[in-house]
Amino acid sequence: DIQMTQSPSTLSASVGDRVTITCRASQSVSSWLAWYQQKPGKAPKLLIYKASTLETGVPSRFSGSGSGTEFTLTISSLQPDDFATYYCQQYDTFTTFGQGTKVEIK
Amino acid sequence: EVQLVQSGAEVKKPGESLKISCKGSGYTFTSYWIGWVRQMPGKGLEWMGIIYPGDSDTRYSPSFQGQVTFSADKSINTAYLQWSSLNASDSAMYFCARPLGGIAAHLDIWGQGTMVTVSS
Repeated sequence: DIQMTQSPSTLSASVGDRVTITCRASQSVSSWLAWYQQKPGKAPKLLIYKASTLETGVPSRFSGSGSGTEFTLTISSLQPDDFATYYCQQYDTFTTFGQGTKVEIK
Repeated sequence: EVQLVQSGAEVKKPGESLKISCKGSGYTFTSYWIGWVRQMPGKGLEWMGIIYPGDSDTRYSPSFQGQVTFSADKSINTAYLQWSSLNASDSAMYFCARPLGGIAAHLDIWGQGTMVTVSS
């Protein structure tokens, strides 16, 4: 199985901050990586797929980069609606999720 | 509108059986896989496996093989997740989701989730 490791597990930030979350794969997943945002009691929402493609309707302050084993999700200017938990997902071989990164208010 | 709508919350006792559902609409249900995701209280997302409603081809993640059963009724555009004998550790939120583009793909549409509580 491909293991996905996110860092940090928790991130404290303020509105307007630039935020970066990292996701590392235990072996190469090429660019077959997606990012999701989840708020309490809700289903995850797709933000980015194929490592860097923004899903339709997702604000442009979200961006993704990377390939192979290391990926990043960046929020260029954190907004109040962005406080949530973020997950990466590899889909090169079946599917595996990262353990999540909670973005909380500083 | 493309959507997946799941059945409502369930409260069951240990040893009971359960079948929850996920109904697709707004797209050709038999042309896309449907995946199932578990989220235990306060924890992350776990991929359980996937079913192709067109022919009921099924793949299970190793951790869930033998623990649950996926099925589908393509006549009513519905996928199912079932347990034959629940235990307390099955208490969780369960999501269905559509992988866009094949058996391994990003998940573009999600159901709202079904909360399962198993308690004596």
